[in-house]
Amino acid sequence: QLVLTQSPSASASLGASVKLTCTLSSGHSSYAIAWHQQQPEKGPRYLLRVNSNGRHSKGDGIPDRFSGSSSGAERYLTISSLQSEDEADYYCQTWATGIRVFGTGTKVTV
Amino acid sequence: EVQLVESGGGLVQPGGSLRLSCAASGFSFSRYSMNWLRQAPGKGLEWVSYISGSSTTIYYADSVKGRFTVSRDNAKNSLYLQMNSLRDEDTAVYYCARVPVEELGTFDYWGQGTLVTVSS
Repeated sequence: QLVLTQSPSASASLGASVKLTCTLSSGHSSYAIAWHQQQPEKGPRYLLRVNSNGRHSKGDGIPDRFSGSSSGAERYLTISSLQSEDEADYYCQTWATGIRVFGTGTKVTV
Repeated sequence: EVQLVESGGGLVQPGGSLRLSCAASGFSFSRYSMNWLRQAPGKGLEWVSYISGSSTTIYYADSVKGRFTVSRDNAKNSLYLQMNSLRDEDTAVYYCARVPVEELGTFDYWGQGTLVTVSS
């Protein structure tokens, strides 16, 4: 079964960096994932896609502060130079034929 | 500028029906696959349905299969979700989202959502 696991929360200070982890279930370590940000009371926004080789591709207008990487079954989102507007929920998401799966989200507090 | 605007949400009784719409602008709508997703109050994101640009490929989440129907009208740049036999657990904000051309498994633009409340 295709499942994504995320920690429920993370925090870091203004100007610091935070690295979020998304873990793919057993047997799915080659899958690409996407990261989506949801600020309070807003619709989600696509940030970037991360492949199993660590290459990432960002969405339109996404600042360079956001980057993706990969190691084994883990996919990461790193936010550098944290700003107040980065306080949000972050969801990882993956896919297979006929299904789209989300992690439970990580709430980032700045 | 890509814009997706959902409408049609509201209060409906259990067992009732509702039709959501998503108006798209700023891109060549017929070239892109689209999705519906939802978020129950205080909960995470859940994918609902996918439809290809020509409507030839359609997928549904198990939770809505047989009750919801996705469709699109490319001449009107519009996406629809017909929801029948609604249940309390269908209460959520419903979002439409575009699929990027280079990766069919994710969503590169989202709307702001429309709230559906199923309650007696």
